[in-house]
Amino acid sequence: DAGITQSPRHKVTETGTPVTLRCHQTENHRYMYWYRQDPGHGLRLIHYSYGVKDTDKGEVSDGYSVSRSKTEDFLLTLESATSSQTSVYFCATGGQGSNQPQHFGDGTRLSIL
Amino acid sequence: TQLLEQSPQFLSIQEGENLTVYCNSSSVFSSLQWYRQEPGEGPVLLVTVVTGGEVKKLKRLTFQFGDARKDSSLHITAAQPGDTGLYLCAGAGAGGFKTIFGAGTRLFVKA
Repeated sequence: DAGITQSPRHKVTETGTPVTLRCHQTENHRYMYWYRQDPGHGLRLIHYSYGVKDTDKGEVSDGYSVSRSKTEDFLLTLESATSSQTSVYFCATGGQGSNQPQHFGDGTRLSIL
Repeated sequence: TQLLEQSPQFLSIQEGENLTVYCNSSSVFSSLQWYRQEPGEGPVLLVTVVTGGEVKKLKRLTFQFGDARKDSSLHITAAQPGDTGLYLCAGAGAGGFKTIFGAGTRLFVKA
């Protein structure tokens, strides 16, 4: 267990409002990731970070931004939430190298009405 | 764009039966991982395979990486209700740390 805490675990909000999801890790992993999981699509990478203040886009980054001011914290922000962003969001951490497994948090279920 | 296709998408079997889940791609991966996910939780790593043709066993689970490192399979022998869950395969490209996930196989084992 990599000690990953996601907050909140559940959130319901309205279209057009800003939303920030938080991920906190206690294992000092360099790499952190935000995914969304939707039926039929599996896990899709939104953004990732390879160090403090070092982030890059994943395959579904439109409408999302991230920030990493400390090794242990990775924030995902929806600037103006849309109904298409209703999903389950997972944070993950990983070591360096393509053979390293990823450790996941328990997810945030986000509903945008 | 790299894609990983898993089949079947859904599988419902009786306790004691055997099953195989497949993960296929047209891309070559430097490693492939299998995860299991239960409702309300994040995926948990089961195994990583890195060598073409590699076979790994984890109790009743057998994982195989294709010779060309484009595909993988998960075989479960004598399935139990505790095996119920979503099984995800994930591939990592050479030199990279981003992982591509398949859509998953949802397994339900009836007692």
